Amino acid sequence: EPEVTQTPSHQVTQMGQEVILRCVPISNHLYFYWYRQILGQKVEFLVSFYNNEISEKSEIFDDQFSVERPDGSNFTLKIRSTKLEDSAMYFCASKGTVTYNEQFFGPGTRLTVL
Amino acid sequence: DQQVKQNSPSLSVQEGRISILNCDYTNSMFDYFLWYKKYPAEGPTFLISISSIKDKNEDGRFTVFLNKSAKHLSLHIVPSQPGDSAVYFCAASGIGGNTPLVFGKGTRLSVIA
Repeated sequence: EPEVTQTPSHQVTQMGQEVILRCVPISNHLYFYWYRQILGQKVEFLVSFYNNEISEKSEIFDDQFSVERPDGSNFTLKIRSTKLEDSAMYFCASKGTVTYNEQFFGPGTRLTVL
Repeated sequence: DQQVKQNSPSLSVQEGRISILNCDYTNSMFDYFLWYKKYPAEGPTFLISISSIKDKNEDGRFTVFLNKSAKHLSLHIVPSQPGDSAVYFCAASGIGGNTPLVFGKGTRLSVIA
């Protein structure tokens, strides 16, 4: 069964460093998303991406964040200068069509900022 | 602001009995609702969904009920199994094909053998 994959599973970084989180969405999906979950809190939307551009972004997704689909398979989230409060689980999700709202999530990347 | 609320942080149920997980929402623009199941150190796994034009959707042991006038939905699991023990998230999305999901805080279900 096709699935969303994410790498790395765990990333530890120093405050102020740049990190890139990688995702491979399900191959025939067209809509891509990043969410995050701070420990003990709910899953929060960061950004959606379609047709090589951002469709929508939340207040969390400020100038420190960027997304890219550098080739036909990868979808990346970059945080330019990490802060302590960026420590969270980051989930990538993808969706096949505009008709159905079911998004399929990857296993997540745990980001720890020291 | 909590647009999607799951007021029970945890629920314990005996194996074989019914589990009922509840979810309330405040935004009347939501028109599609989903339930996800999450195990520790894994991503949310899609379980079942319902459109606002329906009041019930069933898939095997899982049934979701939607009461639009009360802005309330529930997930019923019958019969409950120990493998159902996980955190269950209610999520909602608005009209339009690419709207983001808004999640509740989750309910931790423990099914006791």
